[in-house]
Amino acid sequence: QKEVEQDPGPLSVPEGAIVSLNCTYSNSAFQYFMWYRQYSRKGPELLMYTYSSGNKEDGRFTAQVDKSSKYISLFIRDSQPSDSATYLCAMTWRQGGSEKLVFGKGMKLTVNP
Amino acid sequence: DAMVIQNPRYQVTQFGKPVTLSCSQTLNHNVMYWYQQKSSQAPKLLFHYYDKDFNNEADTPDNFQSRRPNTSFCFLDIRSPGLGDAAMYLCATSRDLASQETQYFGPGTRLLVL
Repeated sequence: QKEVEQDPGPLSVPEGAIVSLNCTYSNSAFQYFMWYRQYSRKGPELLMYTYSSGNKEDGRFTAQVDKSSKYISLFIRDSQPSDSATYLCAMTWRQGGSEKLVFGKGMKLTVNP
Repeated sequence: DAMVIQNPRYQVTQFGKPVTLSCSQTLNHNVMYWYQQKSSQAPKLLFHYYDKDFNNEADTPDNFQSRRPNTSFCFLDIRSPGLGDAAMYLCATSRDLASQETQYFGPGTRLLVL
């Protein structure tokens, strides 16, 4: 079992739809939970990160963490064509004295006008 | 703007011909990372530098080496590229190694091996 599981999609939605992206994980030692957005031919950029269970909002984006279920989600409200990108979940934990960042495979999202 | 710069954006090399990818940063961050990302896969950490200290991931092949001559620059050397090394190579930086530190990624170099 991989440490971080993410459905790679692809996912195609109409403009204005609510999008839900999810990841599950198996390592209880993960401390920080992040969502990165990666446009085609670009490097990932950090969208949101959170530490504790619960919800964190930033504009149209909401990150949700459920540590008891080892499940994280990213919700995008009123999705726009400019949201079309690959979304990667990522988590950090400490291994051998240094921090490790582990990514999911990424979900490719297309928002159609 | 402060940023992470990678050159070249696209690199074509021949099977077995050494190649060097370059990364520079204007963020003055202590940590620089190199990731390999194959199509539809998660970025995979190859190694990182904390200042001058080099940390290799256990499963990174010996074919991959890195140099960090100063704070701003870090290089990825692939000694004898194979067809399986064709991928996007991402450089990232962070201020420190703590879990909460954000990693800032460059745009990547896409490597093609002929």
